[in-house]
Amino acid sequence: GAGVSQTPSNKVTEKGKYVELRCDPISGHTALYWYRQSLGQGPEFLIYFQGTGAADDSGLPNDRFFAVRPEGSVSTLKIQRTERGDSAVYLCASAPAPRSEQYFGPGTRLTVT
Amino acid sequence: AQTVTQSQPEMSVQEAETVTLSCTYDTSESDYYLFWYKQPPSRQMILVIRQEAYKQQNATENRFSVNFQKAAKSFSLKISDSQLGDAAMYFCALRGTSYGKLTFGQGTILTVHP
Repeated sequence: GAGVSQTPSNKVTEKGKYVELRCDPISGHTALYWYRQSLGQGPEFLIYFQGTGAADDSGLPNDRFFAVRPEGSVSTLKIQRTERGDSAVYLCASAPAPRSEQYFGPGTRLTVT
Repeated sequence: AQTVTQSQPEMSVQEAETVTLSCTYDTSESDYYLFWYKQPPSRQMILVIRQEAYKQQNATENRFSVNFQKAAKSFSLKISDSQLGDAAMYFCALRGTSYGKLTFGQGTILTVHP
């Protein structure tokens, strides 16, 4: 079956602009995670959704970052007033249940110029 | 808080040889899971092997095996009969008993020489 998909694959934006990154999880997966991977580093947790609700958003770096999952499937990570330091690969993962194996998408590479 | 440390930024191995990647971790939880993920240039994170902390037996998956030392909080990955396709970034990761949040190490770049 289809895996986790993320769009766009690459996004280049200017400093100060608003961006949205989309994640389509595997059908039926209730748990969804966003991670941020800076160049040469391991992924860092951003936010976890169980169903429609953000159960843990403790990894979001500041209030410019926001994520939604209104119908419990597709999720969108939103970044306002982008800064060059936001440049990274944003990874999404889904799981059938909170403590099950996570399946990762290919990520979106965000470059802020 | 949970931490994962990979002290080898880069490793290399000859094709068909064996290589071991190191990982140490720290957690206050008594039950947890440890993972090794492979990330090729395509960025797709692929699960290589997992270990439940309550299991004393080391996990194995074909050419991949782990050496889990719970008291030392060490979790190394051994790749036997290395293949060119094993070349990638490898991440060690820890998950507690809650909802599945993963804590990753910094990664080790593995190069396989023909």
